[in-house]
Amino acid sequence: GAVVSQHPSWVICKSGTSVKIECRSLDFQATTMFWYRQFPKQSLMLMATSNEGSKATYEQGVEKDKFLINHASLTLSTLTVTSAHPEDSSFYICSASAGQGSYGYTFGSGTRLTVV
Amino acid sequence: QKEVEQNSGPLSVPEGAIASLNCTYSDRGSQSFFWYRQYSGKSPELIMSIYSNGDKEDGRFTAQLNKASQYVSLLIRDSQPSDSATYLCAVKSRNSGNTPLVFGKGTRLSVIA
Repeated sequence: GAVVSQHPSWVICKSGTSVKIECRSLDFQATTMFWYRQFPKQSLMLMATSNEGSKATYEQGVEKDKFLINHASLTLSTLTVTSAHPEDSSFYICSASAGQGSYGYTFGSGTRLTVV
Repeated sequence: QKEVEQNSGPLSVPEGAIASLNCTYSDRGSQSFFWYRQYSGKSPELIMSIYSNGDKEDGRFTAQLNKASQYVSLLIRDSQPSDSATYLCAVKSRNSGNTPLVFGKGTRLSVIA
């Protein structure tokens, strides 16, 4: 089945630094990647949708200059949290779609970000 | 605003019983419906998908869809302690690969041994 590898699984960083999270589709080409954020005891909130080779579409309230998304190839999408602050501490999860007509999505294993 | 509503629970059932999880959605044009299970600290894993009205069974799991009532449910038969998790209902408005899923807040299920 379709597998999405997400790294790192957890990261602790100092306030003001940047953190990059990678998601790779291992056995399929991910034309679209979704990035979600989940706070404790909350549901998954969509942050942005990225399509290979084009700019990401951000959801209302998500700062595109703070959460940089790059989807330069069909197998790799990255999310960079720039100038991280403690309120950015959350569980970040990517989800990939293989393209038109694909009904189901595959999720990465998630990245637990803690900003201290 | 597309919304997916679930009772947050916790829903407690004894081992061997049937657990019934419910979900309603606001977008009448929604096409695809999914149930995900999420263990604490882990990412969601797909349990069931359903696209047509009626029931769909897979092992101990049965998904039920009623588009007229905008209602989706998941039944878990012979519940096991390992089924204890948060169950997320997700809805997709169109059957295309670039439409994101909209998630409910999840129902926490606790199966008591």
